Amino acid sequence: NAGVTQTPKFQVLKTGQSMTLQCAQDMNHEYMSWYRQDPGMGLRLIHYSVGAGITDQGEVPNGYNVSRSTTEDFPLRLLSAAPSQTSVYFCASSYWTGGPGANVLTFGAGSRLTVL
Amino acid sequence: DAKTTQPNSMESNEEEPVHLPCNHSTISGTDYIHWYRQLPSQGPEYVIHGLTSNVNNRMASLAIAEDRKSSTLILHRATLRDAAVYYCILRDVGDSNYQLIWGAGTKLIIKP
Repeated sequence: NAGVTQTPKFQVLKTGQSMTLQCAQDMNHEYMSWYRQDPGMGLRLIHYSVGAGITDQGEVPNGYNVSRSTTEDFPLRLLSAAPSQTSVYFCASSYWTGGPGANVLTFGAGSRLTVL
Repeated sequence: DAKTTQPNSMESNEEEPVHLPCNHSTISGTDYIHWYRQLPSQGPEYVIHGLTSNVNNRMASLAIAEDRKSSTLILHRATLRDAAVYYCILRDVGDSNYQLIWGAGTKLIIKP
């Protein structure tokens, strides 16, 4: 089991460029999500999905787009990068069905994005 | 989800027990208490969770106050590899909105 795999690990963009952060999981988890983490702060939810074909906005969705065509993949698209999107991005997954264990998140190693 | 309050940082000596406190005075009856930790330059990792009773696993123990307004994560014998930021989060198992509220956590410093 690879768990949650994020690519790329590092990326530098110029303002206005677009790019896609990839996230894949091999645990057959229904729930997947994207967070951003700014220096010295906790994680903030960008978008999440409770299954293929279903996505919803989190706390800070502006400037980001997601889709969920398969259970395994949940890419995050930056439409027109801005310096305020410089951050570390984490993808996470878990089981969605009920029960306390369903809410245990497995995180990827992160993608560090710098927008100049 | 209700909010939690944690100290910004704590120091401990290697091979000694560590008690990390968390206050959650507005916790509801269906909120589970989850702990995650984040090692330097890594993604967060799950540590432990519980509802009312104390819980133990291979990583740590979770002690929950009788009124559930506070809890303590216990690392029985801290090592240098336990140096991380520890997050205490409340999670309503029946909540369809997955907006977990992550605070700044407690930075645990282990002294050799």
